[in-house]
This record gives sequence, structure tokens and C-alpha cells, in this order.
Amino acid sequence: GAVVSQHPSRVICKSGTSVKIECRSLDFQATTMFWYRQFPKQSLMLMATSNEGSKATYEQGVEKDKFLINHASLTLSTLTVTSAHPEDSSFYICSARARDRDYGYTFGSGTRLTVV
Amino acid sequence: RKEVEQDPGPFNVPEGATVAFNCTYSNSASQSFFWYRQDCRKEPKLLMSVYSSGNEDGRFTAQLNRASQYISLLIRDSKLSDSATYLCVWAAGNKLTFGGGTRVLVKP
Repeated sequence: GAVVSQHPSRVICKSGTSVKIECRSLDFQATTMFWYRQFPKQSLMLMATSNEGSKATYEQGVEKDKFLINHASLTLSTLTVTSAHPEDSSFYICSARARDRDYGYTFGSGTRLTVV
Repeated sequence: RKEVEQDPGPFNVPEGATVAFNCTYSNSASQSFFWYRQDCRKEPKLLMSVYSSGNEDGRFTAQLNRASQYISLLIRDSKLSDSATYLCVWAAGNKLTFGGGTRVLVKP
């Protein structure tokens, strides 16, 4: 089956610093990666969709300069939260979709970000 | 109106009982529907796809009613391990839209 590895699982950072979250597809090529954010007791909200080798498409209301997404290879996508603030504290989850096999959507295990 | 709406619960269910809950969606162009399960502080995991004809997977039965724009999930013979949040998801193109989830608590 398809596996997506997401790191780190938990991070605490100081306000104003940047945090990078990595998502790797371990046994398939992920042409499309999705980044979600989930606040406590709320639903997953899609932040952006990235296709390998091209710029990410951001959902309305998501600042592209604050949430930098890089999808430079078919197995790796990164989300960088720049100049993090306490209101950015959330659960960030990536999801990947394979190109050549219908694995559906495979989710990473999530990153719990706390900005202090 | 939210694109996907669910009763947040919690549904307190005695072990062995049956529980059912719905999810309504507003976009009639929705192509595919799924039920995901999410445990506390974990990533969502696919429980089952939902087909127009209705489908069953063990103790779980899902149904889609396109005319009334809702999908349902029924859990029979509830187990303690069924305690989780159940997310209604619809897909259009490449994009998944998640409902807020229905929390189910199965108690001995």
C-alpha cells in the first residue's frame, strides 16, 4: 500500500521563527500533494494543492508568502510556515495522490505545531 | 451554507448497539463520496467509499442519496474500538472537502 511519511510529528517554536514540515511518499510517486490545516474540533481545511515541478495553488484566504510550499520531486513536498505566530498553531496534514496507480488519497500522520 | 454539514455529536452508543448518522452536502456537482475515520490527534483514514447503490463493508453500511443530497453511515454491533470521529468527505476533481465530523463514543 501507499505510505506517506510526515515529519516532524510535533514542533514547538518561538513566535517569529519559521518551521518546515516535510512530506515524503515512500513507495509511490506523488504527482499531487495537498496540505491541510485542522484547528481543534474543526474540520480539515485545504490550504493548497501542489503539483511536482510547478507552483502551488492556494485556497482563498491562505497567504502564499506565509505558507511556502515546495514540491521539487515526485516524492517530497515541504510546507514552510514563515514568521510563525501563535494563531498559526494547528495540526498540519499532508496528503498525496499517485500518478500511475489509484491509491486514492494517502495522508501523512500530521504535524502538531505550537507557536509560543 | 457549509459545503458539507454533519451533526458533531457526540453519539453515545452502548457496545453492541447500532448507530447511524448523516451528512448533507450542498454541491450537486460532487463526484465521489467517502467516509473517513479520524482518531484523536491522528490523521484521517479511509473507512469506505460511498456508492449510489449503497455499499456494505462488514459492520459498516454507507448510502448515498443524490436527490436529497446526503450520505449516511450505519455501524452495527458497535465495538469499543469504533469510538472515533467520522468525517464525511466529497471529492470533485482532485479536491477533497471534509465535513466537521461526527464524534461517536462507544461505551461498555
